[in-house]
Amino acid sequence: RKEVEQDPGPFNVPEGATVAFNCTYSNSASQSFFWYRQDCRKEPKLLMSVYSSGNEDGRFTAQLNRASQYISLLIRDSKLSDSATYLCAVSLNTGGFKTIFGAGTRLFVKA
Amino acid sequence: EAGVVQSPRYKIIEKKQPVAFWCNPISGHNTLYWYRQNLGQGPELLIRYENEEAVDDSQLPKDRFSAERLKGVDSTLKIQPAELGDSAVYLCASSPRQGDTGELFFGEGSRLTVL
Repeated sequence: RKEVEQDPGPFNVPEGATVAFNCTYSNSASQSFFWYRQDCRKEPKLLMSVYSSGNEDGRFTAQLNRASQYISLLIRDSKLSDSATYLCAVSLNTGGFKTIFGAGTRLFVKA
Repeated sequence: EAGVVQSPRYKIIEKKQPVAFWCNPISGHNTLYWYRQNLGQGPELLIRYENEEAVDDSQLPKDRFSAERLKGVDSTLKIQPAELGDSAVYLCASSPRQGDTGELFFGEGSRLTVL
């Protein structure tokens, strides 16, 4: 089992739709959680951190469920410009911190 | 503020040849990472530096890969000799925080093709 797993998609949604992605992690000692966005042939860019209480940034909402060991990303009112790959990242201390990325979920938003 | 700078952006070499990638992190960022990203996969950590010290190189294939970060700023990642399976994007990232907190700033990457 991979340490961080994501549904690769692709998710094809119309503009204005709401879409959600989940990311599961296997190590219960994981301490920090993040969502990154990666455009085609570009580098990953931090989208948002995921806090235990959940957090929101505009149209984006991130949540953490420690009991079930997953994080989620909700995008409301999807824009064409939201089309990208969304990578989740989990940081854990295994005698030294290590950040592990999922393989990403591809999103296509269509007009 | 200048971001993480990497060079070269693209490199095509034949197998068994050497190759080197260079990275200049964001000014003031003491933590530097090298990741490798294969097509359709997430970045995989190769090595992490705190200043000039390699604190996590457990994933670095040491038979052919080497890295250095002299003076705790710029870093170089070398592959010698390259193999077909090394074709990937090599991403450098830096972080302002000590330890691997997951808040990383990536460079544009160096795309390696081994023929």
